[in-house]
Amino acid sequence: QKEVEQDPGPLSVPEGAIVSLNCTYSNSAFQYFMWYRQYSRKGPELLMYTYSSGNKEDGRFTAQVDKSSKYISLFIRDSQPSDSATYLCAMRSPGDSWGKLQFGAGTQVVVTP
Amino acid sequence: GAVVSQHPSWVICKSGTSVKIECRSLDFQATTMFWYRQFPKQSLMLMATSNEGSKATYEQGVEKDKFLINHASLTLSTLTVTSAHPEDSSFYICSAPGTATRGPLGGYTFGSGTRLTVV
Repeated sequence: QKEVEQDPGPLSVPEGAIVSLNCTYSNSAFQYFMWYRQYSRKGPELLMYTYSSGNKEDGRFTAQVDKSSKYISLFIRDSQPSDSATYLCAMRSPGDSWGKLQFGAGTQVVVTP
Repeated sequence: GAVVSQHPSWVICKSGTSVKIECRSLDFQATTMFWYRQFPKQSLMLMATSNEGSKATYEQGVEKDKFLINHASLTLSTLTVTSAHPEDSSFYICSAPGTATRGPLGGYTFGSGTRLTVV
């Protein structure tokens, strides 16, 4: 069983809709949670970073962490075609070295005009 | 913001040759650099961790003699794929902890990746 599960998609939504992405994990020690956006043939770009449970909002992006359910989400409001990309969740525990990020497989998102 | 510059962005080489990939931190010092490999529609797989001034740490199953990593300075880390074979064809990405504004806890800054094709 993978430590981080993420539906690879693709997830297709019309422009203006809300994109809902999520990851589940099995390691209760994870406390740092990140969402990255990766365009085709490019490196991942950090979108959101959260620590422990709760919500965090940044512009059109909202990240949620529910540690009791081992479930994290990313919501993109008013989606645009430029949001079409692969979204990766990542997480680590305080005891891990900096390299030990655990990534989800990534969800491919397609926003259609 | 923090930038990690990775070159080349793509390279095609013949089987048996070696290829060097460079990652430079442009506006911050990266004492640590992580090297990942990514297959199509799959997640990032950590290959090794390079530390400035010391030997790299390789993940289990990664051949250290095949994937040579050097961290020559606080701003430069290199990955050399030696005696490349078609199965080494992949997308290689480097990353450094932290960003210019958030420090080490703010996530990782990734390079733009290198698409290696071995023919």
